[in-house]
Amino acid sequence: EIVLTQSPGTLSLSPGERATLSCRASQSVSSSYLGWYQQKPGQAPRLLIFGASSRATGIPDRFSGGGSGTDFTLTISRLEPEDFAVYFCQQYGSSSLTFGGGTKVEI
Amino acid sequence: EVQLLESGGGLVEPGGSLRLSCAASGFTFSSYAMSWVRQAPGKGLEWVSGISAGGGTIYYADSVKGRFTISRDNSKNTLFLQMNSLRAEDTAVYYCAKRDIVLMVLGHFDYWGQGTLVTVSS
Repeated sequence: EIVLTQSPGTLSLSPGERATLSCRASQSVSSSYLGWYQQKPGQAPRLLIFGASSRATGIPDRFSGGGSGTDFTLTISRLEPEDFAVYFCQQYGSSSLTFGGGTKVEI
Repeated sequence: EVQLLESGGGLVEPGGSLRLSCAASGFTFSSYAMSWVRQAPGKGLEWVSGISAGGGTIYYADSVKGRFTISRDNSKNTLFLQMNSLRAEDTAVYYCAKRDIVLMVLGHFDYWGQGTLVTVSS
């Protein structure tokens, strides 16, 4: 099973600042199979990024994803008040799927 | 509009059983693989099980293999999760989630239900 480790656990920033979140895999992951989700309290997760760098429908362009192999990043170029939430990376293979432990972006 | 509505959660004693349902609407349910993902209180996300569009291919996380059974009824646009031999560590909000594209069982999830809480406690 591929383990995804996200860092930092918590990111304390102000609106307007840039956020860079990391997701490291225990073994190489195909870029096509790496995604990112946002979750706010009391809500279901929302797909932000699929295929490591493609934005899902309706996701603003301040969100961008990158990386390859075992190291992936999610960047929020300028934080808006609604972006303060928990972010999870996710990978899948032919028969299993795992999520990272999450990064909380707080004000 | 895509909607996924879970039901069937509740309080159950250790060793007990529960059956979750997820009613889907707003898309061609029979064309998409579906999964169950759970989230223990205050914790991260854990994928539980996935099923192909036609129901012929099924995968489980090791933590539930042999205890949980996923199934679907495409005539009723409904996904199920039969949970047996429940343990305290199965306590979580259970979400059903739709695969984003018509390909492979596992992948990314573009729509999620609101979740149903399962509490395993005596």
